[in-house]
Amino acid sequence: GQSLEQPSEVTAVEGAIVQINCTYQTSGFYGLSWYQQHDGGAPTFLSYNALDGLEETGRFSSFLSRSDSYGYLLLQELQMKDSASYFCAVSPRGANNLFFGTGTRLTVIP
Amino acid sequence: DAGVIQSPRHEVTEMGQEVTLRCKPISGHNSLFWYRQTMMRGLELLIYFNNNVPIDDSGMPEDRFSAKMPNASFSTLKIQPSEPRDSAVYFCASTVRTSGSLEQYFGPGTRLTVT
Repeated sequence: GQSLEQPSEVTAVEGAIVQINCTYQTSGFYGLSWYQQHDGGAPTFLSYNALDGLEETGRFSSFLSRSDSYGYLLLQELQMKDSASYFCAVSPRGANNLFFGTGTRLTVIP
Repeated sequence: DAGVIQSPRHEVTEMGQEVTLRCKPISGHNSLFWYRQTMMRGLELLIYFNNNVPIDDSGMPEDRFSAKMPNASFSTLKIQPSEPRDSAVYFCASTVRTSGSLEQYFGPGTRLTVT
């Protein structure tokens, strides 16, 4: 089975950098994804790591270390519109679905 | 592209009634997923299809739930009879890949309230 743990809430200041961690237990997976969800909205794909290391997409970066069963999402130059919930997810080996973590609610304050 | 389309966006129904949720995936996508989101259980997979064929329905709560995908551009999720505990937001998502998909595209969701 799969389990993914994330902090439930994070607060950060506008313009700052924030890191959202995700630790996981899985019997095998293709990679780790990150999704953003604003209140009342749908999950939106941000980034994924199929291999270990850092992937950068604009202000967002994602990191994966399979040996440590750990990943994180890094958000730089925080903006108020970044206030949302962020989910990590794995795609289990042999399947095509995503298994989502519990989500981290990010609040950006002025 | 219009993205994944779901209807209705909101549904309020009484316990015992039949509910049908509809989804049109992105054209050219080969896999379709139905997820349910609640505060208690988070975002959980109900069922997914590859090339219109159901692959994994282990997340379907019970026999009251059924899903079909008669063609590549349409899928339905039916609840009969509905119960108050079925109240949730139901998302449909699609992707090109048929294995190891890490990038999925979600529809706006259907907010279901069963009274």
